[in-house]
Amino acid sequence: DGGITQSPKYLFRKEGQNVTLSCEQNLNHDAMYWYRQDPGQGLRLIYYSQIVNDFQKGDIAEGYSVSREKKESFPLTVTSAQKNPTAFYLCASSIPAVSGNTIYFGEGSWLTVV
Amino acid sequence: AQSVTQLDSHVSVSEGTPVLLRCNYSSSYSPSLFWYVQHPNKGLQLLLKYTSAATLVKGINGFEAEFKKSETSFHLTKPSAHMSDAAEYFCVVSDDSWGKLQFGAGTQVVVTP
Repeated sequence: DGGITQSPKYLFRKEGQNVTLSCEQNLNHDAMYWYRQDPGQGLRLIYYSQIVNDFQKGDIAEGYSVSREKKESFPLTVTSAQKNPTAFYLCASSIPAVSGNTIYFGEGSWLTVV
Repeated sequence: AQSVTQLDSHVSVSEGTPVLLRCNYSSSYSPSLFWYVQHPNKGLQLLLKYTSAATLVKGINGFEAEFKKSETSFHLTKPSAHMSDAAEYFCVVSDDSWGKLQFGAGTQVVVTP
């Protein structure tokens, strides 16, 4: 079945470590996104990519990095510069990013700092 | 600029009774509006969307929403709640050319037997 796969589902990070969250989609979508969700809050955009080898900062990009080397993959690295990384991270994708197009979400990844 | 306000952070309903989730938006242009549902520890699933066609939009699982431009509202309703409707619901607006989404803070729905 087509969909968006995020891994791992749960991840623990020590202080000062970088960690990478994986996101793979087989929907043949051009655009991909990373959102952060904190308890009781809506989603905030971290980064987005409209085509391969191109990506743009969202509203809360500081302390995060991404790459888009393949159409189906959009990994997110949470760096040690991100001071409060504990959150639920959601990857999403859509056909060419145009207003009104539906964005589809993965199942999410929990990141906890220990 | 665009923004979304969900007027209720929590809604509690009895099984079999109607559900109303309220959403107001502001937008500089003609917006696209969405309702998504999120079950615990899961991703978001699209319930329905409005993209300048019919103002009454029907979605999955018996939900529907009405776009009212004069009131800048997009309230979500369901005639009869089911236990499986217990989840968090997000109202979302998009009016940027590339489809950037602005999420409301969410409404937690509790369904009691």
